[in-house]
Amino acid sequence: KNEVEQSPQNLTAQEGEFITINCSYSVGISALHWLQQHPGGGIVSLFMLSSGKKKHGRLIATINIQEKHSSLHITASHPRDSAVYICAARDTGKLIFGQGTTLQVKP
Amino acid sequence: DTGVSQDPRHKITKRGQNVTFRCDPISEHNRLYWYRQTLGQGPEFLTYFQNEAQLEKSRLLSDRFSAERPKGSFSTLEIQRTEQGDSAMYLCASSDTRQGNYGYTFGSGTRLTVV
Repeated sequence: KNEVEQSPQNLTAQEGEFITINCSYSVGISALHWLQQHPGGGIVSLFMLSSGKKKHGRLIATINIQEKHSSLHITASHPRDSAVYICAARDTGKLIFGQGTTLQVKP
Repeated sequence: DTGVSQDPRHKITKRGQNVTFRCDPISEHNRLYWYRQTLGQGPEFLTYFQNEAQLEKSRLLSDRFSAERPKGSFSTLEIQRTEQGDSAMYLCASSDTRQGNYGYTFGSGTRLTVV
């Protein structure tokens, strides 16, 4: 079992739909990161969470430390949101990545 | 600052050859990380440096792999006697932990193909 598990692995949505991507981790962490990766490899950091909830535009990230679970929500999804979304648990140093969720938003 | 730079972007090499990749982090960042990513998977940790000190190495980093950050600025990752299984995207990232900000900045990666 991976230390960081994401679900679903693949997700197809219609433009405008509310999207949720889940992340569970089994390791002790100092923070949970959500990142976005577009074709070609570039990774962009979206959120870094150690508790509660953060919002940036149409993106919302939440974390429940007791349940070792985090979610990334996208409201009013748009085709430009199509990408791979990756959660990563940070211990004192490195990030431990989940396998990623490939999101396709259709117009 | 132009972010994290990696060179080359692509490398095709024959099995058994040695390859070296370079990463230039954001200049004020004290930590530098190397990850490897294969198709359809999340990145896997290889090693990281704080300034010039290599603080942790993954068990994935066999004795054919070596990384350096000699002056605490740029880093190199060398793979000796490459194997087809080494084909992957090699990602570098940096962060500055001194202000308590652990935000990561990633480079665009070096894609290695071993033929």
